[in-house]
Amino acid sequence: GDSVTQMEGPVTLSEEAFLTINCTYTATGYPSLFWYVQYPGEGLQLLLKATKADDKGSNKGFEATYRKETTSFHLEKGSVQVSDSAVYFCALRGNKFYFGSGTKLNVKP
Amino acid sequence: EAGVTQFPSHSVIEKGQTVTLRCDPISGHDNLYWYRRVMGKEIKFLLHFVKESKQDESGMPNNRFLAERTGGTYSTLKVQPAELEDSGVYFCASSQDRTGLRNEQFFGPGTRLTVL
Repeated sequence: GDSVTQMEGPVTLSEEAFLTINCTYTATGYPSLFWYVQYPGEGLQLLLKATKADDKGSNKGFEATYRKETTSFHLEKGSVQVSDSAVYFCALRGNKFYFGSGTKLNVKP
Repeated sequence: EAGVTQFPSHSVIEKGQTVTLRCDPISGHDNLYWYRRVMGKEIKFLLHFVKESKQDESGMPNNRFLAERTGGTYSTLKVQPAELEDSGVYFCASSQDRTGLRNEQFFGPGTRLTVL
């Protein structure tokens, strides 16, 4: 069945460091891929998405490229800020949503 | 415009007790979803309502869980009797389109359930 695997956290970085959170997926067909973010005390918010192979989603300095050949959708940001501290969830949408286990990011000043 | 709201934000109960979680979707959203994240694992789909009808309840873990959406507005998720393994964060989401797949799903802040 469909599934998403993302790197375990927590990930601790200093401000302005480069961020990569790995995400790979297993799916039948051609799913859409998403990154959601959950800030402390809030619900999940859509961060970015890509609906087909080679699409790049981007938002707030974050990027992820839909790689069909490696079944991956890694999240990257060139320079993280303290305000980026949150839990990040990779997800795919086939006939329903499937989420990864979440990666907690801590950014220190 | 108000987002998806959930009540309570946190519930602590003893094993064997009953708990009812509530979700108020965004006004006008026909599609309502329940998800659960247990012990830091992946967020798992529980069920999907279209208005008051259950479109897909394939993720409901067992018959101790009962979801309702009378009138097609807010939804409740009752756990009776609660077991230790039911502890986790229960998320609700809503979306606009009929299939529930084309439009973004908007999530509530979740209810953290702790069963002792």
